[in-house]
Amino acid sequence: RKEVEQDPGPFNVPEGATVAFNCTYSNSASQSFFWYRQDCRKEPKLLMSVYSSGNEDGRFTAQLNRASQYISLLIRDSKLSDSATYLCVVNIAGYSTLTFGKGTMLLVSP
Amino acid sequence: DARVTQTPRHKVTEMGQEVTMRCQPILGHNTVFWYRQTMMQGLELLAYFRNRAPLDDSGMPKDRFSAEMPDATLATLKIQPSEPRDSAVYFCASARPTPRVGETQYFGPGTRLLVL
Repeated sequence: RKEVEQDPGPFNVPEGATVAFNCTYSNSASQSFFWYRQDCRKEPKLLMSVYSSGNEDGRFTAQLNRASQYISLLIRDSKLSDSATYLCVVNIAGYSTLTFGKGTMLLVSP
Repeated sequence: DARVTQTPRHKVTEMGQEVTMRCQPILGHNTVFWYRQTMMQGLELLAYFRNRAPLDDSGMPKDRFSAEMPDATLATLKIQPSEPRDSAVYFCASARPTPRVGETQYFGPGTRLLVL
């Protein structure tokens, strides 16, 4: 079983739509969680951290469910510029490294 | 705007040749990571260093890959001899010193390697 699993997509949505991605992780010792964004042929960049109580950054909302071991990302009012691959990322307690999911591709069309 | 830099950005080589990739981490960052990304496997950690000391290279094929940090401003990843299955994008990332684990990693633009 993969440590971090995501639906690869693509998710095709029109501008203005709301879209949500989920991610599941297998290691219950996971302690820190992030969403990274990767544009086509570019490097991954941190989008936002995910806190236990859930957190929001503009149109983006991240949630964590430790009991079910999943993380979600909600994007409201999608923009064309949101088209990218969204990587779910987990840090396991005691390790300095991050484990990346393979990503979910989002395509926002006019 | 500090960034991680990587050279070369693209490399096409023939099987059996040596490939050297270089990375300059962000000034003041003491942790450097090497990743490989392919469509099939996604982003895989190859090795990482803290304060120039290698901490984990278990993700790296030992027989042909080697990673070093000759100084705090340079990290290198070498493949010798290269094989077609090494074709991938190789990313370097750096992170600043912090007691908090899972600190944000800043990625370089990557080296796109094609081994024929």
